[in-house]
Amino acid sequence: DVKVTQSSRYLVKRTGEKVFLECVQDMDHENMFWYRQDPGLGLRLIYFSYDVKMKEKGDIPEGYSVSREKKERFSLILESASTNQTSMYLCASSPGSGRETQYFGPGTRLLVL
Amino acid sequence: GENVEQHPSTLSVQEGDSAVIKCTYSDSASNYFPWYKQELGKRPQLIIDIRSNVGEKKDQRIAVTLNKTAKHFSLHITETQPEDSAVYFCASWGYQKVTFGTGTKLQVIP
Repeated sequence: DVKVTQSSRYLVKRTGEKVFLECVQDMDHENMFWYRQDPGLGLRLIYFSYDVKMKEKGDIPEGYSVSREKKERFSLILESASTNQTSMYLCASSPGSGRETQYFGPGTRLLVL
Repeated sequence: GENVEQHPSTLSVQEGDSAVIKCTYSDSASNYFPWYKQELGKRPQLIIDIRSNVGEKKDQRIAVTLNKTAKHFSLHITETQPEDSAVYFCASWGYQKVTFGTGTKLQVIP
């Protein structure tokens, strides 16, 4: 079974703090993704990566950055958290090479006060 | 960029009835269309998918149809059961990028 894990299930942070969300997959997948999920808006792609040290902007990258130093780990960084970044954050991975099925992590519910 | 519209946003059906959820996409280069089911408090999981060279695919009570000309694809669930209650998301893959629909909350009434 593919396992995608996220560092925290719940996080509470203050406005202006730097926030790190980590995602790890254990199936040697090439592709990794970060989404935020908000009611009525579905899953919106923040950033994705098709290889180590490679990143591409998704639909809503503003206020976020990412890091992929190792193949199995993809980090999402909120440089200066704001209240409008309160959301559920989902990480996903897919095998790559034309195999696009995505496997999701359990999610991190972030509250920014 | 790609735009994916999903309808309806909520759907209530009696147990045993069929449910249909429809998505339209804008990028004619999109070539892979998965459907995910997300139960309350859980992560999304793939339930069925279809590629652009296929018109229909079935897996037991679930089927997906694709109309490339009209740029829409639909999820069909027959003989619905209470455990089908969940939020369903469609997605469209274009060149190296995926776009999700906004989700449909399906409630199956026993």
